[in-house]
Amino acid sequence: GAVVSQHPSWVICKSGTSVKIECRSLDFQATTMFWYRQFPKQSLMLMATSNEGSKATYEQGVEKDKFLINHASLTLSTLTVTSAHPEDSSFYICSAPVRGGIGAFFGQGTRLTVV
Amino acid sequence: QKEVEQDPGPLSVPEGAIVSLNCTYSNSAFQYFMWYRQYSRKGPELLMYTYSSGNKEDGRFTAQVDKSSKYISLFIRDSQPSDSATYLCAAPYDAGGTSYGKLTFGQGTILTVHP
Repeated sequence: GAVVSQHPSWVICKSGTSVKIECRSLDFQATTMFWYRQFPKQSLMLMATSNEGSKATYEQGVEKDKFLINHASLTLSTLTVTSAHPEDSSFYICSAPVRGGIGAFFGQGTRLTVV
Repeated sequence: QKEVEQDPGPLSVPEGAIVSLNCTYSNSAFQYFMWYRQYSRKGPELLMYTYSSGNKEDGRFTAQVDKSSKYISLFIRDSQPSDSATYLCAAPYDAGGTSYGKLTFGQGTILTVHP
């Protein structure tokens, strides 16, 4: 089946620095991808919709200047956490919809720890 | 109120038991539901989906929807230790919409099947 690959799987960064997370669709093209955030033992919360060639759409309460999303090609979306702070530490997961079907394929997730 | 509610558990059962996982939903416009399985520190993987009026069986897994009570269930027969994971119910983020990959999740139920 289709695979969505996310990189890195984990990252530790210092407070105030920026971190980029990549999400790739490996064997299919994805004009739309989604970014979620998951805190320990909690559910996935949709952060934004990434649209190829246009601006991302952010959910209410998500700071677009802090979480920069770029979808420059049909197989790659990136999420950059800018000026990261410890409260940004979380599990970030991307997904791409199943074309012509139900649901989405998810990446492996990225565990971000800001120290 | 979240549109999809799920008892987080945790749920612990012996190997071979029948497991029942449940969610409730509030929006009657939902047209279909999904069940995802998430292993620790991994992205969710789609187990199965059902339309709002049906049941579905796939091997040891059965998904069921009760529209009258807005209740969705996932049954696992002959549970195995490898079934130990977090199970998430999900519905389309925009109920009745066509964005099939944009999802809203329940809180997830942590299941442990012990030998």
